[in-house]
Amino acid sequence: DQQVKQNSPSLSVQEGRISILNCDYTNSMFDYFLWYKKYPAEGPTFLISISSIKDKNEDGRFTVFLNKSAKHLSLHIVPSQPGDSAVYFCAAARAGSEKLVFGKGTKLTVNP
Amino acid sequence: GAGVSQSPSNKVTEKGKDVELRCDPISGHTALYWYRQSLGQGLEFLIYFQGNSAPDKSGLPSDRFSAERTGGSVSTLTIQRTQQEDSAVYLCASSWGQGNQPQHFGDGTRLSIL
Repeated sequence: DQQVKQNSPSLSVQEGRISILNCDYTNSMFDYFLWYKKYPAEGPTFLISISSIKDKNEDGRFTVFLNKSAKHLSLHIVPSQPGDSAVYFCAAARAGSEKLVFGKGTKLTVNP
Repeated sequence: GAGVSQSPSNKVTEKGKDVELRCDPISGHTALYWYRQSLGQGLEFLIYFQGNSAPDKSGLPSDRFSAERTGGSVSTLTIQRTQQEDSAVYLCASSWGQGNQPQHFGDGTRLSIL
């Protein structure tokens, strides 16, 4: 039973355009959500997070949106750059728990 | 270095052998986590250490897997009598362990069981 789902295994966008990566979850007990970026042969790098008390968090080119009623979050990257090409993982944690539950990832390719 | 360090970066061993994977967390981080990523899958939680508390071992897939953390710092993940399905990238992460703090990952150990 996958509690965190990233239904798009891959996404391709043009440089300068917006990239939108989506994530759905099933466990209503999750209250903290994170996005990680992963390059080949490297560990995941923390990108941005959001608490369930918010519906939006912005950091530079990256914005995460949370829709609790739909159990859906998305990561927007604007403008997209070729260096953003990587696998993006969505992760979630329950209140009081340090265990992260990860999705399977979406491979983003930003074409010059 | 300032990041999480894991060794070895790659390990190839024969089925049935024991392996030890090492993790050096970020200095000062009290929480340490082990995950593994099998081919085409997301990261799967294995075990979590927080300070001097008993570790959360709920993610360990079998009793062939064990981990310890000495002196609240370095951790070793041991897999006994390895099986081919143990082949994966084993990732270690650390954090301040207080509330919603992001976990910082090492580059992982790629384990291949022949």
